Amino acid sequence: KAGVTQTPRYLIKTRGQQVTLSCSPISGHRSVSWYQQTPGQGLQFLFEYFSETQRNKGNFPGRFSGRQFSNSRSEMNVSTLELGDSALYLCASSPGARNTEAFFGQGTRLTVV
Amino acid sequence: AQSVTQLGSHVSVSEGALVLLRCNYSSSVPPYLFWYVQYPNQGLQLLLKYTSAATLVKGINGFEAEFKKSETSFHLTKPSAHMSDAAEYFCAVTNNNAGNMLTFGGGTRLMVKP
Repeated sequence: KAGVTQTPRYLIKTRGQQVTLSCSPISGHRSVSWYQQTPGQGLQFLFEYFSETQRNKGNFPGRFSGRQFSNSRSEMNVSTLELGDSALYLCASSPGARNTEAFFGQGTRLTVV
Repeated sequence: AQSVTQLGSHVSVSEGALVLLRCNYSSSVPPYLFWYVQYPNQGLQLLLKYTSAATLVKGINGFEAEFKKSETSFHLTKPSAHMSDAAEYFCAVTNNNAGNMLTFGGGTRLMVKP
């Protein structure tokens, strides 16, 4: 079974631009979560989607948004990029509706210059 | 609300020595607990999970963790460290009110000396 696939792996953007990151979950998983990882703040939860509905949202500004498609693939978008958005963005998929283990992709390394 | 504290951002052990990584959690409802490992430039890999079935949980690569409700702890141990264990380890918590949302501790970087 293929794992969680995130594209692209690396991205360099300029301040003020917007970016879209993509995540393909493990086949059959309906839950997709996104996390931001930085040296200063560690791993922070962004949002979770389950069957195309956002179930949980972390404490991030409205510039961060996401969506999930009917095939469970998910995208997250960051508008008006700031230098502080530079981070590793991790996507995870889970097999059940709650309390199930998360399987992580390798992440997208976003650098904002 | 839920939170996780990992004591010691860096732990150094000699090859063959006991590994002990500490995790304390806070949760207003019964928790589900996880340990993940992250190698450089990689995503997180699940080591083990506690789901209330048994307090001593065995995971991959010889790791295990014990859930102690009275101490609100879920420490990770391995009897004998191997060089390949050098990585960053994260403890995480969720509960029935949080879907699959994980709250992570700050992480512990394990260094293994030859």
